[in-house]
Amino acid sequence: DTEVTQTPKHLVMGMTNKKSLKCEQHMGHRAMYWYKQKAKKPPELMFVYSYEKLSINESVPSRFSPECPNSSLLNLHLHALQPEDSALYLCASSQGQGAEQPQHFGDGTRLSIL
Amino acid sequence: AQSVSQHNHHVILSEAASLELGCNYSYGGTVNLFWYVQYPGQHLQLLLKYFSGDPLVKGIKGFEAEFIKSKFSFNLRKPSVQWSDTAEYFCAVNAGYGNKLVFGAGTILRVKS
Repeated sequence: DTEVTQTPKHLVMGMTNKKSLKCEQHMGHRAMYWYKQKAKKPPELMFVYSYEKLSINESVPSRFSPECPNSSLLNLHLHALQPEDSALYLCASSQGQGAEQPQHFGDGTRLSIL
Repeated sequence: AQSVSQHNHHVILSEAASLELGCNYSYGGTVNLFWYVQYPGQHLQLLLKYFSGDPLVKGIKGFEAEFIKSKFSFNLRKPSVQWSDTAEYFCAVNAGYGNKLVFGAGTILRVKS
């Protein structure tokens, strides 16, 4: 079992809906990440939080809004998404933000936009 | 910008065959290299990693990888594959600011029993 827990596992939403994806880890990791993975493609980094502060935003559209309420939790708020945003959204965490730190991944949330 | 190339998208092997999956990256400086595996229906898991030192690194489940700096390569090997190795394998590189992983396109390995 993964030590990074993501909820929900599946989400279907309309383009006008507002929803949130949640990610939780209890490994004491201080860096957390959101990735987007389209079908048959590798994961692509969206955001990095380090010590609860946003440190990297890979030019992600503002309809995706990350939030890190504390060191164990990471949210991704969704609003006015487009059909092309349908994908698997992966959360990951690492002990720190050093480049040598391996990342631990969750199972992902499979998002479908109608 | 960093990029990672994986040479084969699909590989089919019989059990007990040897495996080598190619990975090349484009970055001239210090790199940190990883291989991740995704078994069907499961999350990405770390197989092995290279930061420095011995260029031959050993990972879990009998996998190993060799870092060849002059060839910008980090190929994954296993002497004898098992049916349970059926999975998708991703090479990833991290160089520069923060822990920003760049993944290769992935190689789907199917092992026939």
